[in-house]
Amino acid sequence: GIQVEQSPPDLILQEGANSTLRCNFSDSVNNLQWFHQNPWGQLINLFYIPSGTKQNGRLSATTVATERYSLLYISSSQTTDSGVYFCAVDENTDKLIFGTGTRLQVFP
Amino acid sequence: DAGVIQSPRHEVTEMGQEVTLRCKPISGHDYLFWYRQTMMRGLELLIYFNNNVPIDDSGMPEDRFSAKMPNASFSTLKIQPSEPRDSAVYFCASSQGTGYTFGSGTRLTVV
Repeated sequence: GIQVEQSPPDLILQEGANSTLRCNFSDSVNNLQWFHQNPWGQLINLFYIPSGTKQNGRLSATTVATERYSLLYISSSQTTDSGVYFCAVDENTDKLIFGTGTRLQVFP
Repeated sequence: DAGVIQSPRHEVTEMGQEVTLRCKPISGHDYLFWYRQTMMRGLELLIYFNNNVPIDDSGMPEDRFSAKMPNASFSTLKIQPSEPRDSAVYFCASSQGTGYTFGSGTRLTVV
């Protein structure tokens, strides 16, 4: 099956810093989503982005499907951005396969 | 919309007991997914439904696990008998085929 790799596994930032999270996948995909799991465990959908670029406030994401990777940018990070960021993809099925996540800690 | 609603939020049960987890998807979403999250294995898809029909249950760990979706607004995941290794957070999610919306999860502890 398709493999999803995320990097870095852990990231520590000071408030105000910018960061880039990466997701590599091993095959072509129909669906790619980014999620944030907050410290209380809630999974929040950030982007549905099988290709192209999207922005939502301080967050933006770019997927280059032909090169099989996606990037999530966080600008001017805040303590509320802390948590785990997951990339999830499907390979021409209806089911999403999740990566192992990037754990982000933002300190004041 | 109230989002995807799961119940209970927490469940503590003794080994060997039956456990039933419940999920109400977002109205109009025709896909429903059950995931399990553990530290060791991350987020794993157990089963998913399309228009109330189970499509892929290859992630269901063993026969002790079963899932049903009797109508478009309700699904259950049952474990019988439960074992300590079933302890995890179980998430339900729904979709119209693009972005997923997850429920708050059920934290199951089997002692």
